[in-house]
Formats: sequence, C-alpha cells, structure tokens
Amino acid sequence: GAVVSQHPSWVICKSGTSVKIECRSLDFQATTMFWYRQFPKQSLMLMATSNEGSKATYEQGVEKDKFLINHASLTLSTLTVTSAHPEDSSFYICSARDAVQPQHFGDGTRLSIL
Amino acid sequence: GDSVTQMEGPVTLSEEAFLTINCTYTATGYPSLFWYVQYPGEGLQLLLKATKADDKGSNKGFEATYRKETTSFHLEKGSVQVSDSAVYFCALSGSSNTGKLIFGQGTTLQVKP
Repeated sequence: GAVVSQHPSWVICKSGTSVKIECRSLDFQATTMFWYRQFPKQSLMLMATSNEGSKATYEQGVEKDKFLINHASLTLSTLTVTSAHPEDSSFYICSARDAVQPQHFGDGTRLSIL
Repeated sequence: GDSVTQMEGPVTLSEEAFLTINCTYTATGYPSLFWYVQYPGEGLQLLLKATKADDKGSNKGFEATYRKETTSFHLEKGSVQVSDSAVYFCALSGSSNTGKLIFGQGTTLQVKP
C-alpha cells in the first residue's frame, strides 16, 4: 500500500533554532500534502494544506511566517519551524494524497525545544 | 461547519470482548467517512472507510456502516485482542473535494489479557 515517510522521527534542539521536517510519498505522486499538529492525548489539528507547485493554505490561527511549508515536487513537502520556542514542542504529522487515494499518514515527528 | 463527535475514552475491555466505539457527524452534502488508528508514538493508519450511505467498511475484523439517517459511523469488532490497544479516530472528508479531514477527538482503547 501507499507509504508516506516522515523524517526525522524525533528532534531535540535549543530555543531559537529552526527545524526542518520532511514528508515524502514513496510510491505515489502526492498532489496534496497536509500538515497536522497533535498535542498529548488530543486530536489532530490541521495546520496547512499544501498543493504541489503552489503556496500552502494555512488554517486560521496558524502563523505562516512561523511554519514555512514548501511543496516543491510531487513526492516531497517540508515544514520548517522557524526560531522555535518551547511552546512549539509538539508531535507534527504529515499526510499525502493524490486524486484517487485517501490521505496516508507519516509516522510523525516529535519536536522538543529546550 | 462540519464536525465529528466520538465517544469519550478510555475504553477498557478484556480480550475477546465485543467493541463498539460510537461516532456521529455533522456535515453538509455527502461526506466520506473514515476510521484511523494510531499506535503509541506513531502516525495514523487508515483502518477502513465508506464513501456513501449504507456502505460498510471493513478491515482486520473491524467494521463500520455509513448510516445517513442517524449520521453515524460506529466502529465495531466482535472479538478484540491486546494488539488492538490504540487510539481510534473517526474522520470525515467533506464533499468539497479539498481532501481535508475533520477528526473526532479520538478514543483510547485498552485491551487487557
């Protein structure tokens, strides 16, 4: 079945640094990718929708300058958390779909900002 | 707007017990409905789906039927195993075809041997 790879799976870094998370669709061309944030024991909150070759559409309340999303190819989208602070610590999950398949999710990235 | 409501957890069952996790939705048009499962420390895996009224999705012994008259998509399994312990999310994708998923709050299932 479809596989979505997310990297890294865990990252710890100092406050003020920027962190890039990659999301790759391994066996299909993902026309749309989604980025979610999940707090402990809570549901997934959609942050943004990314279509290949165009600017991401951010959900209300999500800072586009804080969470930079790039979807440069049909198999890769990146989320960069700029100048990360402890309140940005969370579990970030990407998903990908094409015109036919439902969303397939990556295994998530646990981000811890010290 | 569209929304999904799941029964609160945690749900604790003994092995081989019958499982029901309730899910109801509010949506305009004709959404597609999904159940996803999340094991600890992992992303979500699609468990099953249904795209129109009266469809039954099934996988790995789990079933759910799209009931438009009651706006429900309850998840059932006849005999749970310890390995089924996870968080289960009900979700809908609206008829606008943006692909966006709206999730319920998730229900934690704990199965004891």
